[in-house]
Amino acid sequence: SQQGEEDPQALSIQEGENATMNCSYKTSINNLQWYRQNSGRGLVHLILIRSNEREKHSGRLRVTLDTSKKSSSLLITASRAADTASYFCATDGTGANSKLTFGKGITLSVRP
Amino acid sequence: DGGITQSPKYLFRKEGQNVTLSCEQNLNHDAMYWYRQDPGQGLRLIYYSQIVNDFQKGDIAEGYSVSREKKESFPLTVTSAQKNPTAFYLCASSIKGLAGANEQYFGPGTRLTVT
Repeated sequence: SQQGEEDPQALSIQEGENATMNCSYKTSINNLQWYRQNSGRGLVHLILIRSNEREKHSGRLRVTLDTSKKSSSLLITASRAADTASYFCATDGTGANSKLTFGKGITLSVRP
Repeated sequence: DGGITQSPKYLFRKEGQNVTLSCEQNLNHDAMYWYRQDPGQGLRLIYYSQIVNDFQKGDIAEGYSVSREKKESFPLTVTSAQKNPTAFYLCASSIKGLAGANEQYFGPGTRLTVT
């Protein structure tokens, strides 16, 4: 079953603009993670935000988490053509044998 | 150079044949995972292992089998019982023991085509 649902499904922006991607989920989580996947490659971990955190930064990435709304957003500032990729949110549940549940991903295209 | 490797990158098989995908990690991670990714889809968990000699079924285990005889290795066999085996297969690993943290490191993937 898919827990995280990303929105929008696809996003196309101009280089230099900011990209905002959203993720909603249904059940309680320990943490929420964002991953990036270049075409035909494996996923790369970008950032992890714990359930007791509201905002986290890493370079040009800013992630927010609102547990009351069960949603998260990933902001990429000053986008570059090299940011073109698919982005996935993944939720880590609260059960003893919790495992990551991935959404279907957002395809981001950054036009040079 | 630490990391997680998968081989081969591309694999072609005839219908009815079993095929084994390799996954090796030198990150000293306890946990390893196999996912399947279909076009336009997210990742679906096939099997996972939290420790050597132990593994559990994920969401779509039917038609697949795994073994975990060594900490570094978690091979996946796609059997002839798997109805739609053509897909992109991703292996991942993670450190175990950090409460609430499950950051995963992924291999480059194996694209399996069965005709």
